[in-house]
Amino acid sequence: GENVEQHPSTLSVQEGDSAVIKCTYSDSASNYFPWYKQELGKRPQLIIDIRSNVGEKKDQRIAVTLNKTAKHFSLHITETQPEDSAVYFCAASMRSSGDKLTFGTGTRLAVRP
Amino acid sequence: DAGITQSPRHKVTETGTPVTLRCHQTENHRYMYWYRQDPGHGLRLIHYSYGVKDTDKGEVSDGYSVSRSKTEDFLLTLESATSSQTSVYFCAISESSTGRGELFFGEGSRLTVL
Repeated sequence: GENVEQHPSTLSVQEGDSAVIKCTYSDSASNYFPWYKQELGKRPQLIIDIRSNVGEKKDQRIAVTLNKTAKHFSLHITETQPEDSAVYFCAASMRSSGDKLTFGTGTRLAVRP
Repeated sequence: DAGITQSPRHKVTETGTPVTLRCHQTENHRYMYWYRQDPGHGLRLIHYSYGVKDTDKGEVSDGYSVSRSKTEDFLLTLESATSSQTSVYFCAISESSTGRGELFFGEGSRLTVL
């Protein structure tokens, strides 16, 4: 089955600095890689996703990169703000397993004012 | 936010009792999922549904059953709750299979099994 590892488990950065969260996946047939953000006490929400035919995708201060050869993908947040403080989950989906998402274990990001 | 509600939002029960969590959607989405969230484990899929009366197991399905008799409702049942099932349970819906589109989550149901 699909296995997704996520690092680091916690991350603390100064406001304005960049944050990077990394994930690796086990199955080379994975084809869809979303990132979800979960604020304290709230539901997870999609913030960005990337498909296997794309190497990088940006949306304002966030970007995701995908390295299919190495089977890893990363979330980059630039110019971090206190409202970026949350838990971030990566996930991977493989069509042959019914497109079910397998989530990483999450990264708790704290942005210090 | 997508029209998805979970009930109850909080429940405390005793070991051995049955528990049913309800997920109701007003989006008419075909796909529905139940996840559990535990520290250090992220979100793990329990069961999912492709449509009415069409369900399948996820990675942590032991001890859980589901039913979907209407498009809008997806029920998760713990036949005999155990302390290891203490968790936050999230229902999610998607218009298409998750290989193509976004999952919309409910607000979560916090279950404590004493």
